[in-house]
Amino acid sequence: EPEVTQTPSHQVTQMGQEVILRCVPISNHLYFYWYRQILGQKVEFLVSFYNNEISEKSEIFDDQFSVERPDGSNFTLKIRSTKLEDSAMYFCASSEAGRGVNTEAFFGQGTRLTVV
Amino acid sequence: AQSVTQLDSHVSVSEGTPVLLRCNYSSSYSPSLFWYVQHPNKGLQLLLKYTSAATLVKGINGFEAEFKKSETSFHLTKPSAHMSDAAEYFCVVRHTGTASKLTFGTGTRLQVTL
Repeated sequence: EPEVTQTPSHQVTQMGQEVILRCVPISNHLYFYWYRQILGQKVEFLVSFYNNEISEKSEIFDDQFSVERPDGSNFTLKIRSTKLEDSAMYFCASSEAGRGVNTEAFFGQGTRLTVV
Repeated sequence: AQSVTQLDSHVSVSEGTPVLLRCNYSSSYSPSLFWYVQHPNKGLQLLLKYTSAATLVKGINGFEAEFKKSETSFHLTKPSAHMSDAAEYFCVVRHTGTASKLTFGTGTRLQVTL
């Protein structure tokens, strides 16, 4: 069964360093998302991406964050200068459609980011 | 604005007994609603979805949910709990528009005891 894959599963980084979280969405999906879950808190939307541009972003997604689809398969989230409060589980998701049917999002296993 | 409220942060049931996880939604439009499950150290798995077709939705692993507009509810049920059902369950609403974001509830941790 097709699935969204994320790498790495765990990432430890020093405060101020740049990190790139990688995702391979399901191959025929066109809409891509990043969410995060700080330990003990709810899952929060970060950004959605379609047709090589951001469709929507939350207030969390400030200038420190960027997304890219560098090739036909990968979807990345970059955090330029990590802060302690960026520590969280980051989930990538994709959906076949953005409107109407088949809009359900399929999530990856997540990348646990720890900023020290 | 679209939102969901999960009324219980923690539910404990005995194996073989029914499961009820409660969710109420707030939406200006006819919403798309989902239940996701997260097992320990695992990702988020879609259990079922409601997208304005049948109000009783059947999902995987014997779960189902009923959309009740009059009560603005979308409660998740299962007739008989299994130990493997122990996990965190999230009620989720999809916002209107293209490539729209999902808003998650705070989650309900289901514990299943022998």
